[in-house]
Amino acid sequence: DTEVTQTPKHLVMGMTNKKSLKCEQHMGHRAMYWYKQKAKKPPELMFVYSYEKLSINESVPSRFSPECPNSSLLNLHLHALQPEDSALYLCASSQVTVAGAFFGPGTRLTVL
Amino acid sequence: DQQVKQNSPSLSVQEGRISILNCDYTNSMFDYFLWYKKYPAEGPTFLISISSIKDKNEDGRFTVFLNKSAKHLSLHIVPSQPGDSAVYFCAARRGAQKLVFGQGTRLTINP
Repeated sequence: DTEVTQTPKHLVMGMTNKKSLKCEQHMGHRAMYWYKQKAKKPPELMFVYSYEKLSINESVPSRFSPECPNSSLLNLHLHALQPEDSALYLCASSQVTVAGAFFGPGTRLTVL
Repeated sequence: DQQVKQNSPSLSVQEGRISILNCDYTNSMFDYFLWYKKYPAEGPTFLISISSIKDKNEDGRFTVFLNKSAKHLSLHIVPSQPGDSAVYFCAARRGAQKLVFGQGTRLTINP
């Protein structure tokens, strides 16, 4: 199994909703990431988990809350988002000591 | 501060010819460089990488060249095929974990 899966594929939510994005990998990777990508822009790093511990938070607003329940799963909990948070949210994973990160297909999020 | 730059937003190449995508970086501490390919509405796909201790890495039709003194890397695709049409991102990292991406170059392969 050499892929990163993400659910849901698309999500539409209101500004008062609470929702969660899910990511899963079974490659034995111990580093997992959340990226945000706006149209025609490169992916922007949000969070990094290393061995299930949060190691990098790129000054992301608290309305985004990551969670790593185990080494294969990564969640991103969303609450009180703004329309400008609409974007493609990408999950990725890598071996901690190897640089290449594998990306999932992303969740297209629309905040109304 | 844009640490990784892809100065060409787009590139058009004829099928069968060589595509050369360029990337410049400013942080001399970067020690690993990667190229990703991205189709619309999909996540980036890892293509090829190179460590800062090498100056060339080849994988099939894809070759990455690294010029550390110029802080420049390039991706060569030969021969170019229509399926290569996509956005290509250059990325760099220092140590573990954090990737810094360039702005991307949209490559179009013309029949």
